[in-house]
Amino acid sequence: ETGVTQTPRHLVMGMTNKKSLKCEQHLGHNAMYWYKQSAKKPLELMFVYSLEERVENNSVPSRFSPECPNSSHLFLHLHTLQPEDSALYLCASSQVDHSGNTIYFGEGSWLTVV
Amino acid sequence: QKEVEQNSGPLSVPEGAIASLNCTYSDRGSQSFFWYRQYSGKSPELIMSIYSNGDKEDGRFTAQLNKASQYVSLLIRDSQPSDSATYLCAVNQFYFGTGTSLTVIP
Repeated sequence: ETGVTQTPRHLVMGMTNKKSLKCEQHLGHNAMYWYKQSAKKPLELMFVYSLEERVENNSVPSRFSPECPNSSHLFLHLHTLQPEDSALYLCASSQVDHSGNTIYFGEGSWLTVV
Repeated sequence: QKEVEQNSGPLSVPEGAIASLNCTYSDRGSQSFFWYRQYSGKSPELIMSIYSNGDKEDGRFTAQLNKASQYVSLLIRDSQPSDSATYLCAVNQFYFGTGTSLTVIP
């Protein structure tokens, strides 16, 4: 079983749909992240849940809403998305402590908005 | 100004050669630096992390950090076709470059 598991791996949704991406980490980490990866663009940090605090990138539209019910699970709720939101969405986790903060990524969820 | 800049490539090297990948960053206060490898259609995987000025070696990989010049590099010795991938530079784990595409020619 991989350290960070994402489901679904592929998702096609219409602009009026509501869907969610799910992530689970089995590494005992205390921080989880959502990143967006689009072609020819740098990885974009969307949300961070670390030590029970949420940090968000202010440029992320409100049609994306995260939920972190506990330290092992992370969701990204999607509603009324636009075609330009089609991308690879990566979940990641890390252990934030004095020794560093190495991030481990899941396999990603490929999202296509039609 | 971009937070992290990388030459997008593509960079092509023959098998057995040294591949040199470079990255510059804008935040002088950055403390941690990472290199990830990403194969096409896959998620990034960590290769190296470096926190102090100088060189850090791990097998065929060497990361070099120069905080005064705000650059970090990755050297891959004895390059193999399996090293063909996109290499992402990350600073403080939050800021990523666009990646450099490397092709190792057999």
